[in-house]
Amino acid sequence: DAGITQSPRHKVTETGTPVTLRCHQTENHRYMYWYRQDPGHGLRLIHYSYGVKDTDKGEVSDGYSVSRSKTEDFLLTLESATSSQTSVYFCAISESRGGRRSYTFGSGTRLTVV
Amino acid sequence: QKEVEQNSGPLSVPEGAIASLNCTYSDRGSQSFFWYRQYSGKSPELIMSIYSNGDKEDGRFTAQLNKASQYVSLLIRDSQPSDSATYLCAVNNAGNMLTFGGGTRLMVKP
Repeated sequence: DAGITQSPRHKVTETGTPVTLRCHQTENHRYMYWYRQDPGHGLRLIHYSYGVKDTDKGEVSDGYSVSRSKTEDFLLTLESATSSQTSVYFCAISESRGGRRSYTFGSGTRLTVV
Repeated sequence: QKEVEQNSGPLSVPEGAIASLNCTYSDRGSQSFFWYRQYSGKSPELIMSIYSNGDKEDGRFTAQLNKASQYVSLLIRDSQPSDSATYLCAVNNAGNMLTFGGGTRLMVKP
């Protein structure tokens, strides 16, 4: 168990409001990721982090920002939520064992923007 | 252009049969390949990873990789109703990031 906790698990918010999702990990992993999952699209990378204060954009980063001020927390912020951001959001960590990298996902946050 | 392609299904197989799931990818530099299983409303769960050409077996699951054809597959032997789920193919490109296909929904009928 990679010790990944996402909060909240469910959230309903109104268009135009800011929203922050939290990913917390307990095992000091360097790499953390935010994905969104929509029907027919699999998982798409929003942003990722390779260390404290080190982040970069993924495939679908528009409308999202991230912060990582501590190793254990990776925050995803929707500055002004839109209906197109209604989705399931997954946080992931990656770890290297024996030169091979593996990826583990949190339980997800279901966000509805009305 | 999507880099990892899967047939969305549903793929329906009878209990006890072999289920064959396929995935193609576009980046020839891809090094690592993963199959995740995802039950409805749950997070993806890693079931197989494969890094070199050929077959890799783990219990009822066999992953097959052909880098020349840019093709990776997952075989599930003796399929059970509990195998009914969406199977996601993922490819590790540069930068320690995973790129996913859209997933194939598998239905195993008793």
